[in-house]
Amino acid sequence: EPEVTQTPSHQVTQMGQEVILRCVPISNHLYFYWYRQILGQKVEFLVSFYNNEISEKSEIFDDQFSVERPDGSNFTLKIRSTKLEDSAMYFCASSLPGHGDTIYFGEGSWLTVV
Amino acid sequence: DQQVKQNSPSLSVQEGRISILNCDYTNSMFDYFLWYKKYPAEGPTFLISISSIKDKNEDGRFTVFLNKSAKHLSLHIVPSQPGDSAVYFCAASGTSGTYKYIFGTGTRLKVLA
Repeated sequence: EPEVTQTPSHQVTQMGQEVILRCVPISNHLYFYWYRQILGQKVEFLVSFYNNEISEKSEIFDDQFSVERPDGSNFTLKIRSTKLEDSAMYFCASSLPGHGDTIYFGEGSWLTVV
Repeated sequence: DQQVKQNSPSLSVQEGRISILNCDYTNSMFDYFLWYKKYPAEGPTFLISISSIKDKNEDGRFTVFLNKSAKHLSLHIVPSQPGDSAVYFCAASGTSGTYKYIFGTGTRLKVLA
């Protein structure tokens, strides 16, 4: 069964360092997302991406965050200068076009900022 | 942003009995709802969906009911199995056209053998 894959599964980084989280969405999907879950809190929307541009972003997704689809398969989330509060599980997701289509999540990348 | 609420943080059910997980929403523009199951340190796994044109959708042991007038949906699992023990999230999407889903805070289900 097709799945969304994410790397790394876990990353520890120093505060102020840049981090890139990588995702390979399901191959025929055209919408891509990043969500995050801080420990003990709910899953929060960060950004959606379609046709090589951001469709929507939340207030969490400030200037230190960026997304890119550098080639035909990868979708990346970059955090330019990490803060302690960026420590969370980051989930990539993808979906087919069409409103209401189910979004499928990857296993997550656990980011710890120290 | 409390547009989607799951007011029960936890629920314990005996194996074989019915589990009922509830979700309330405030935004009347939401028209598509999903339920996800999540184990610790794993991504959410899609379970079942329902659109606002329906009031019930069934898939095996899982049934989702939608009451639009009450802005309430529920997930029924019957019979409950120990492997169902996980955190369950409901998520809602509106007609914004950007497919952004708002998640509830989750309900931790424990099925007792």
